[in-house]
Amino acid sequence: DSGVTQTPKHLITATGQRVTLRCSPRSGDLSVYWYQQSLDQGLQFLIHYYNGEERAKGNILERFSAQQFPDLHSELNLSSLELGDSALYFCASSDAAGGHNEQFFGPGTRLTVL
Amino acid sequence: AQTVTQSQPEMSVQEAETVTLSCTYDTSESDYYLFWYKQPPSRQMILVIRQEAYKQQNATENRFSVNFQKAAKSFSLKISDSQLGDAAMYFCAYRSGENAGNMLTFGGGTRLMVKP
Repeated sequence: DSGVTQTPKHLITATGQRVTLRCSPRSGDLSVYWYQQSLDQGLQFLIHYYNGEERAKGNILERFSAQQFPDLHSELNLSSLELGDSALYFCASSDAAGGHNEQFFGPGTRLTVL
Repeated sequence: AQTVTQSQPEMSVQEAETVTLSCTYDTSESDYYLFWYKQPPSRQMILVIRQEAYKQQNATENRFSVNFQKAAKSFSLKISDSQLGDAAMYFCAYRSGENAGNMLTFGGGTRLMVKP
């Protein structure tokens, strides 16, 4: 158990819908990273937040957005869902903004868009 | 942008034998970190081993060791005395140490099968 929690574990929804994925980092960790793992794109970085501020963006679609709240939990919002958004979404946390600190991964949320 | 390449989509090894998974990367940075992650059928991402680019000594964690060739930009993972529980997807990953963005860049993965 990495100490990072993600809810829900599974999510099944229809095209055009909007969903919210939630992540609670390890106690004391200020950084949250979101990654997407899909069959065709592999594991890709989406976005990084540090202590409530956005620090870096990767291949995140405009239909996707994220935020980190004062209690440090983070939410990834996916809207106007398409079949291709079906993937495993990971959240990872670390105790700093950068450097060599390890990122601890949550168990992931499996999103299926029908 | 950095890229990470794993040229072996699948590998198999006999239980108790040794196997080496390959990884190459491309970067212009001098300060960075390299990782191997294991993803078993549970899908959990588990850190296996890490290597700091400034360290010449290859990292070792029990049965897992790396061969880090900085000039060749190669970072292979050696698993000794393979066990059935080692069967998983293995991902090589790169992380900048220069604060240019501390996200992980992953290779495409290698599926390791362990034969009893």
